[in-house]
Amino acid sequence: AQTVTQSQPEMSVQEAETVTLSCTYDTSENNYYLFWYKQPPSRQMILVIRQEAYKQQNATENRFSVNFQKAAKSFSLKISDSQLGDTAMYFCAFSPGYALNFGKGTSLLVTP
Amino acid sequence: EADIYQTPRYLVIGTGKKITLECSQTMGHDKMYWYQQDPGMELHLIHYSYGVNSTEKGDLSSESTVSRIRTEHFPLTLESARPSHTSQYLCASTRGEANVLTFGAGSRLTVL
Repeated sequence: AQTVTQSQPEMSVQEAETVTLSCTYDTSENNYYLFWYKQPPSRQMILVIRQEAYKQQNATENRFSVNFQKAAKSFSLKISDSQLGDTAMYFCAFSPGYALNFGKGTSLLVTP
Repeated sequence: EADIYQTPRYLVIGTGKKITLECSQTMGHDKMYWYQQDPGMELHLIHYSYGVNSTEKGDLSSESTVSRIRTEHFPLTLESARPSHTSQYLCASTRGEANVLTFGAGSRLTVL
């Protein structure tokens, strides 16, 4: 089975600070994609960032960046300069090809 | 806003009723998915489709059924709803191998 593990059910960070969300996955595949999705309270799930496994360079999208360690099967998300609007459930997801497998999510609360 | 629409957004029904959750997308995506999101927020793949007349069961066993008669439409049906079906159901779609999913707003079902 190809699993995704998010070991932090809840996290809290103050506005303007930096926070890192952890994710590990298990697969025997060599080519795959990894994603972080965000689900704000009562709102739609949206893509935060994507990483192709064959690319060594870590993906970045504005204040969001990842630390992809392929050998360790680790894919953490760093949010810099946290904003109140970043409060949401964050899901790490792994794509072996036919669909996405999601972790259980990390609930992030950004406080003033 | 994503061009994928789910109706109804909220539904409360009695045990034994038949219900259909609608999902439509206007992006011409060939792949469509249904995920069940439990109260703990974990997402489970219950059905997916690679195109018209193609449907597959996902990783989580579900008593629901789906159909894909038109590219843009992927309805999910429960013939006889039970309280255990109470959940949020998320529809998603994508095109190509990268599997960057676009999600609908979800249908929150409560079965009494």
